Amino acid sequence: AQKVTQAQTEISVVEKEDVTLDCVYETRDTTYYLFWYKQPPSGELVFLIRRNSFDEQNEISGRYSWNFQKSTSSFNFTITASQVVDSAVYFCALSEDTGNQFYFGTGTSLTVIP
Amino acid sequence: DAGVIQSPRHEVTEMGQEVTLRCKPISGHNSLFWYRQTMMRGLELLIYFNNNVPIDDSGMPEDRFSAKMPNASFSTLKIQPSEPRDSAVYFCASGLAERNTQYFGPGTRLTVL
Repeated sequence: AQKVTQAQTEISVVEKEDVTLDCVYETRDTTYYLFWYKQPPSGELVFLIRRNSFDEQNEISGRYSWNFQKSTSSFNFTITASQVVDSAVYFCALSEDTGNQFYFGTGTSLTVIP
Repeated sequence: DAGVIQSPRHEVTEMGQEVTLRCKPISGHNSLFWYRQTMMRGLELLIYFNNNVPIDDSGMPEDRFSAKMPNASFSTLKIQPSEPRDSAVYFCASGLAERNTQYFGPGTRLTVL
């Protein structure tokens, strides 16, 4: 079974719209870590955020915000007032406390249309 | 601070040739990961090391692939002999195992003709 599911394969929005990228995870560990990475067309994988399982506070960083809900095993990512530079593939990932392996979702390709 | 450094950035080779990809992790990091990314299979973990020791190599596709980490500042991924289906982008990432972090290098785009 997939440990990280990103059900949205592709999303297109018009510039300045808000967009939410969904991430659902599965783990039996009580201690775990969740991540989002951005892969722009240039190809590098850019770290965006790391969140541990004991911190359910939502986080905001500029136009980016993350909503962590243990009750639904979700760690969703919202971009407010999207811009063309936000066009990229976004990956959600899980790392369990037992072992250091990362489990990546299949990615959501976001296109922001000017 | 320098990030993860990978070389070469692009490699084009012919089927049957040996390919060696190199990675220099971020100084002070104690875990290192090799991934492969293709359109068909997405991002796949090949192998990871903690403190230079291979922990899990179950993702290595077959015996043609081997990885080494002779010291904390250098790792190689070798493919011998290479095949066209090995064409992909290979990423190296490093992190701190105790914090479960991971930072990626720019990747090596490998094309096997």
